[in-house]
Amino acid sequence: GENVEQHPSTLSVQEGDSAVIKCTYSDSASNYFPWYKQELGKGPQLIIDIRSNVGEKKDQRIAVTLNKTAKHFSLHITETQPEDSAVYFCAAPYTGTASKLTFGTGTRLQVTL
Amino acid sequence: DVKVTQSSRYLVKRTGEKVFLECVQDMDHENMFWYRQDPGLGLRLIYFSYDVKMKEKGDIPEGYSVSREKKERFSLILESASTNQTSMYLCASSPTSGGGDEQYFGPGTRLTVT
Repeated sequence: GENVEQHPSTLSVQEGDSAVIKCTYSDSASNYFPWYKQELGKGPQLIIDIRSNVGEKKDQRIAVTLNKTAKHFSLHITETQPEDSAVYFCAAPYTGTASKLTFGTGTRLQVTL
Repeated sequence: DVKVTQSSRYLVKRTGEKVFLECVQDMDHENMFWYRQDPGLGLRLIYFSYDVKMKEKGDIPEGYSVSREKKERFSLILESASTNQTSMYLCASSPTSGGGDEQYFGPGTRLTVT
């Protein structure tokens, strides 16, 4: 089955700096890569996703890049703000199905003033 | 807005008790999921249901069972709770489009087994 590794486990940046979180996956057939944000006391929420037919996708201050050859994808947050502080999870589909996801172990991002 | 609700935010149970965690979604989604969240381990899938009365085991089904009698409701059952089942439990739902779909999560139930 799919194996997703996520780094780093914790990340502290100053407000206004950029943050990058990286994930690798094992199944070369995977074609959908979402990122979820979990704020304190809440369930995870989808913030951006990318499909294998594109290499990059942007939505305001967040972007995701995908390198299918190397089997890794990354989340980039620019001009970080205190409200970006949360736990972020990457995910990839279970082998052979698009309905189930394998999640990474999460990155706790702290944006300091 | 999609809404996924879980019956309890916090639950304390004793070892050996039978525990029911309930989840309800209001968007007519076919798929429903139960995850367990532990520090450093991320979200691990316990069970998945793709239709009423249909279920599949996830990565860590041991010690758990599920029930889906109605499309909107998915229950997680701990037949005999143990201390190693102390965790945060998250329910999610998603539609089925075949190409990767957003999962909508509930707020979670923090279960403590003493």
